[in-house]
Amino acid sequence: QKEVEQDPGPLSVPEGAIVSLNCTYSNSAFQYFMWYRQYSRKGPELLMYTYSSGNKEDGRFTAQVDKSSKYISLFIRDSQPSDSATYLCWANDYKLSFGAGTTVTVRA
Amino acid sequence: GAVVSQHPSRVICKSGTSVKIECRSLDFQATTMFWYRQFPKQSLMLMATSNEGSKATYEQGVEKDKFLINHASLTLSTLTVTSAHPEDSSFYICSASRAGFSYNEQFFGPGTRLTVL
Repeated sequence: QKEVEQDPGPLSVPEGAIVSLNCTYSNSAFQYFMWYRQYSRKGPELLMYTYSSGNKEDGRFTAQVDKSSKYISLFIRDSQPSDSATYLCWANDYKLSFGAGTTVTVRA
Repeated sequence: GAVVSQHPSRVICKSGTSVKIECRSLDFQATTMFWYRQFPKQSLMLMATSNEGSKATYEQGVEKDKFLINHASLTLSTLTVTSAHPEDSSFYICSASRAGFSYNEQFFGPGTRLTVL
């Protein structure tokens, strides 16, 4: 069993819609949770990180962690075509467990 | 800040040759560097973790003699794919963690696309 499981997608939404991305993890010792965005043929870039449980907001992006259910979410409000990318969730542990990634397409 | 570069960005080589990929942290010291490979439409697969001045730790299934990693300084790590074969063709990405930070935030390089003919 993978330590981080991510909804596989792909996801296609119209411009302006809310994008909801989810991951679950198995190791209750995980403390740091991150979301990376990867455009095609590029290295991933850090989008958001959270520590322990709670919400974190940055512009149109909101990251949520629910440690009781071991659930990680990323919400993108007012989605734009430039948000079209693959989103990777990451739970921080020694082995640096990544989710498989969800490819999001925002249609203009 | 926290920029990681990789060189080359793209390389095409003949089967049997060796290819070296460099990963540099440009504006910070990286205590730990990581090497990943990524096949099309798949997630990143961690290959190895390297700390400056010590031997790399390879993930299960990754051949140490095939993928040589050297982390000679706090700003440079190299991955050498020895005797490359077509099945080694992939997108190789490095990342680095900054010294002195309590969490392992990683900064990724832009990746190197290797094509072995």
